[in-house]
Amino acid sequence: GQQVMQIPQYQHVQEGEDFTTYCNSSTTLSNIQWYKQRPGGHPVFLIQLVKSGEVKKQKRLTFQFGEAKKNSSLHITATQTTDVGTYFCAESKAAGNKLTFGGGTRVLVKP
Amino acid sequence: NAGVTQTPKFQVLKTGQSMTLQCAQDMNHNSMYWYRQDPGMGLRLIYYSASEGTTDKGEVPNGYNVSRLNKREFSLRLESAAPSQTSVYFCASSGTINEQFFGPGTRLTVL
Repeated sequence: GQQVMQIPQYQHVQEGEDFTTYCNSSTTLSNIQWYKQRPGGHPVFLIQLVKSGEVKKQKRLTFQFGEAKKNSSLHITATQTTDVGTYFCAESKAAGNKLTFGGGTRVLVKP
Repeated sequence: NAGVTQTPKFQVLKTGQSMTLQCAQDMNHNSMYWYRQDPGMGLRLIYYSASEGTTDKGEVPNGYNVSRLNKREFSLRLESAAPSQTSVYFCASSGTINEQFFGPGTRLTVL
């Protein structure tokens, strides 16, 4: 079945540096959603991307949907300790249908 | 609005015991979901309910049953708990763009 792969699994980042995490699929994705889960917490919805090549920004976070809609990326600039957590992408199809989650990228920030 | 609530927050069971995890949402959402998350892992869908009166299996349904009691409530039952069911269980409901709103989770240990 449909699989959504995230790389890297782990990301150690020096505070103040930038990094990017990727979400890849072998088939065309409908929509992509991104979530953040703080350690010990629950996943929280960040954003949804729908259109080919779409780019959305939330402060220091930039989300992009690939032109072929087979991949997506999350880029964080000037990483802060508050960015620690696991970032999940998920394919979303029609409303009410189940999502397909990637395995997540666990981000650790070195002060 | 409380969003999605789950009870209990923590539970320890002995192998073979049964229990029901409760979930309720006050956002008038049609769809609700149960996930499990093992340490350092992603989210795996156990069961979901696209609307009141319907339930469907997810990726890992074995050993679980669900009841969509009404539009607000979706419970998960373990009939005979096993150590392999030690996990964190998240309930979620989905909004207008199928974004997931997660509850705080139930941390279950089966001895």
